Formats: sequence, structure tokens, C-alpha cells
Amino acid sequence: QVQLQESGPGLVKPSETLSLTCAVSGYSISRGFYWGWIRQPPGKGLEWIGSIYHSGDSYYNPSLKSRVTMPLDTSKNQFSLKVKSVTAADTAVYYCGKLNGGLSGSPPQFYFDYLGQGTLVTVSS
Amino acid sequence: SYELTQPPSMSVSPGQTATIKCTGDKLGDKYVCWYQQKPGQSPDLVIYQDKKRPSGIPERFSGSNSGNTATLTISETQAIDEADYYCQVWDSNTVVFGGGTKLTVL
Repeated sequence: QVQLQESGPGLVKPSETLSLTCAVSGYSISRGFYWGWIRQPPGKGLEWIGSIYHSGDSYYNPSLKSRVTMPLDTSKNQFSLKVKSVTAADTAVYYCGKLNGGLSGSPPQFYFDYLGQGTLVTVSS
Repeated sequence: SYELTQPPSMSVSPGQTATIKCTGDKLGDKYVCWYQQKPGQSPDLVIYQDKKRPSGIPERFSGSNSGNTATLTISETQAIDEADYYCQVWDSNTVVFGGGTKLTVL
């Protein structure tokens, strides 16, 4: 059973960098699958942030791509999210997850089969 | 960018069938999945690849996808099914979510 746990500061100041880590247990991220992040502003819907493969291959939401990086640390079996130059609009519950599916299918598909419990990040001075 | 449209809300009586729709251009050419999210919880996958159920999801949940519309059907709806439901696809190297449908069981 794959388990994911987000961690990081719950409060970030505007213009600073939001940094979260997702610790994975029950599966080695170096073995495969894509891993990613979604977020949910209070009272709103889900927004995909990005996804990364163990090889480093990655995909990002075009609206966030210029501000987002998602480094992997296979030695610690974890991956991270960094969002720079945050504003109040980045206030949300952030979820990390494992994606299943793949690009080789017809049609290709990706879906989150495991998600962490989420962590609220508030951007405020 | 690709867009998925869902009704913001709907209601159903206990024991009845709930049908939640998700529309998008040529949606039937893509694989659709569905998530259930209860208040204060993370989303749970209830349908993937249009109509497959993950382990542990009751048979009451079923899915279909054709033309421009995907449908999540919940048969014999129970109070525990009250939740937000989101459809999702993969398009042009991005994950796309629908806006979500709040299902009320009353």
C-alpha cells in the first residue's frame, strides 16, 4: 500500500518561495510511475500543478510552469514542490500523489490512484 | 487549453440513481476518471479508464464515456455518497480537472 505524506510550512509570506516535501512509503519512487502535486484553494475545485517521473521527465500546468519546480530525492524516497514568488492566490490545500496510467496507451491517460492527506499553505504577511 | 464542464450541484433522494455528467470537446476520445471528495478529506479515485473501479469501490459506482459526455452513475445512492465529484482527463501533456459537482443526498 502506497502512502504519501506532505510536510512543510503552513504560512509563507508574499513574494517568497513555497516549499513542500512529499514522503513516500510502500513504493520506491526510483522504480517508476509519475509523481505529482495538485492544489485546492479554500472552497474551490482541484488544480493540477505538475508531475514528474523518476528519470526527471516532467509536465507542468502551463499557468504555473514559470514558477514551479519539482525536485526528486530518490535516496530519501521523496519529492518536493517549490513555487516561487507566491501571492495570496497560491493559498490552498496542497496534495501530493502517485499517478497511474501512461503515455503508451491509446489514448494516453494519467490519474491519481494515491493521494496524501493534504496540507494547507496560507500566503500572508 | 482543454476544458471540462460539470454542473455545480445536484441532488438525489436516498435509494435513487445519481448521474453526474462531465462534458468536453470529443471527450469520448479520451479516458476519463472520477474522484470523490468528502469534506475535509483528500479526493479518492472511484472510476478510471472511463468505467473501471479501483479495488474497494462499491459496484454502485459506474462510468461511461461517449461523444462529448462522460457520466458517473451512482446506483442506490446512500447518504455516505454525499460529496464533491470531479472528472479528470489527460490532454496535451496536462492533467485537466472538471470544476466539480456537489452531490447532495436528501
